[in-house]
This record gives sequence, C-alpha cells and structure tokens, in this order.
Amino acid sequence: NAGVMQNPRHLVRRRGQEARLRCSPMKGHSHVYWYRQLPEEGLKFMVYLQKENIIDESGMPKERFSAEFPKEGPSILRIQQVVRGDSAAYFCASSQVMGDEQYFGPGTRLTVT
Amino acid sequence: GENVEQHPSTLSVQEGDSAVIKCTYSDSASNYFPWYKQELGKGPQLIIDIRSNVGEKKDQRIAVTLNKTAKHFSLHITETQPEDSAVYFCAAWGGSQGNLIFGKGTKLSVKP
Repeated sequence: NAGVMQNPRHLVRRRGQEARLRCSPMKGHSHVYWYRQLPEEGLKFMVYLQKENIIDESGMPKERFSAEFPKEGPSILRIQQVVRGDSAAYFCASSQVMGDEQYFGPGTRLTVT
Repeated sequence: GENVEQHPSTLSVQEGDSAVIKCTYSDSASNYFPWYKQELGKGPQLIIDIRSNVGEKKDQRIAVTLNKTAKHFSLHITETQPEDSAVYFCAAWGGSQGNLIFGKGTKLSVKP
C-alpha cells in the first residue's frame, strides 16, 4: 500500500524561475493538503484541495502561488517567479475524508539561489 | 482561529526514562489531536491521535492524554530508546476546516 508520493525530493531554482511540486495521495484518498516548513519551524497550512476543487486556500500567498488537483494525475503546487524566501520544505498530506487522519509525504525541499 | 502552543521546545532524557510533551489549544471546538514524529530529512509520521470523546489512548510505549476542560493534551513516551530521538509535533483540527494547526515542535534527544 503505497504512501503519499512527492516529487521531486529536491529542487533547485534560480530567482525568477518557476517551481512545480507534485503530490500523489495515498490510494483511496481524495483530499490533499499542502504545508510549508521553514527550517527549525512547524508546518504551516497552505491549501486544501479535493478532486478538481480548491476547498481552502487561506494559507497560500495570493500572488505567485497556485495549486490544482485535476481529475486525473497528481496535485500540483506551482510557484512562479521564485524568490529566496520561498526556500523551504513543502509537504503534501492526504486523507480519505475531511477530519480523518492525514498522512504526509516525504516532502520537496526547494532551494532558490 | 485556532492556536496551538507546544512545550518544551527541546527535551533531553536518558535512555529508559520517560518523556512528556505538552500542548495547549485555544479553540474549544477542536476535536481531533494527532501527534507526528519527524526525523531529519523526512516527512512527519503520524504516531498516535486522540479524538475529543476519549481522555486517553495508548499504543505500546506511547500514550496521549486529553483534558478538554483545560484545553490541553500531552504525549507520553515511556522506556525511551535512542531511536525515539526526533522532532515531535502536536496538532489540532477544529472541525470547520480541513487543515491541521501545528505546534512548533519539540526536539527530543534520547541519550544512550
């Protein structure tokens, strides 16, 4: 039973480039959550999606960040025109229903140079 | 909105001793409280959770207690082992939204 998959595990981008982070939820899970973790800090919620719908994006910056979870394929977190402050670990979690256990992937570590 | 405070930020114990990590939450509507263990370079791993209809839950060497009146919950690890060394996060879920609110983490070091 495969867990939550994320790729790439490490991503290096120059300032101004775009970063695309992918997340495949656990089998049978249709709820996906993205969190960001800065060094030595906890996890901060960014966005919550169900298939083809954004349920809550209150934690995501209004500019440069977007997320989707299409009917087919993984969820994508997209960061346009990256800046050094975007350097962080980005984690995806999934659950079967809202309020159920959330299981996390291994994360994508984004470094902006 | 919900706010979760976690203490201590670092904890060092001798192998075999017990470790206790405490969290408080602000929203009385919160009803689900998971604990995660995060090892260096890895994603958070769900180790135990508790819902507001119970006061205590155990799984081998780990247990979680919940005091709804005082709005705090604690993680107890008994007979600690070096492999318990990691950062532990508590979290709360309020029921009206999908996301978890996390504490800032406790770095546990178990000395052999």
